[in-house]
Amino acid sequence: SAVISQKPSRDICQRGTSLTIQCQVDSQVTMMFWYRQQPGQSLTLIATANQGSEATYESGFVIDKFPISRPNLTFSTLTVSNMSPEDSSIYLCSAGTGNEQYFGPGTRLTVT
Amino acid sequence: LAKTTQPISMDSYEGQEVNITCSHNNIATNDYITWYQQFPSQGPRFIIQGYKTKVTNEVASLFIPADRKSSTLSLPRVSLSDTAVYYCLIFGAGGFKTIFGAGTRLFVKA
Repeated sequence: SAVISQKPSRDICQRGTSLTIQCQVDSQVTMMFWYRQQPGQSLTLIATANQGSEATYESGFVIDKFPISRPNLTFSTLTVSNMSPEDSSIYLCSAGTGNEQYFGPGTRLTVT
Repeated sequence: LAKTTQPISMDSYEGQEVNITCSHNNIATNDYITWYQQFPSQGPRFIIQGYKTKVTNEVASLFIPADRKSSTLSLPRVSLSDTAVYYCLIFGAGGFKTIFGAGTRLFVKA
């Protein structure tokens, strides 16, 4: 198994600003992913964070808005850029090898 | 990736067995079936995974018929703490990304 930590756990940000969320895994993993979850809704995959190369984004998500870094096998960051109130959500990081993924506790973002 | 269909919600009482069925009609030959559990304000947690027939662990059992077009998660003797959202996912052998469906909200009552 793997333990995932995220920072910050929550934040309140002004519109037009950017926030970078960090995801740390306690062991080396093959895959890391970023999700968004609105309260009471399911998870939506934003992108796959690829180690040493550009992230792979899902339909509806672009690099300019959600730049992702993954410098090594245990760490990744997601930046929410030029935020608007519509970006208010919970952002979750997950990591895993094979068919089993482990999720972080999430970052609750509120944009005012 | 195969699309999944689950009931939106289910109610149960403490001590009962709960069965949640998921349909995945276009599952591919190499796909695995995985279930996750999510409590409020937490990330999803892996429960169980299977390919065919029956898989059992300390938390649940997973029943998969021969045609693999559906699967049933069985939770024995649920308690109030089993109140959560349960997601059925199909994991493709060609890739690892996970697409979550709507999930099933299970309410366990005293």
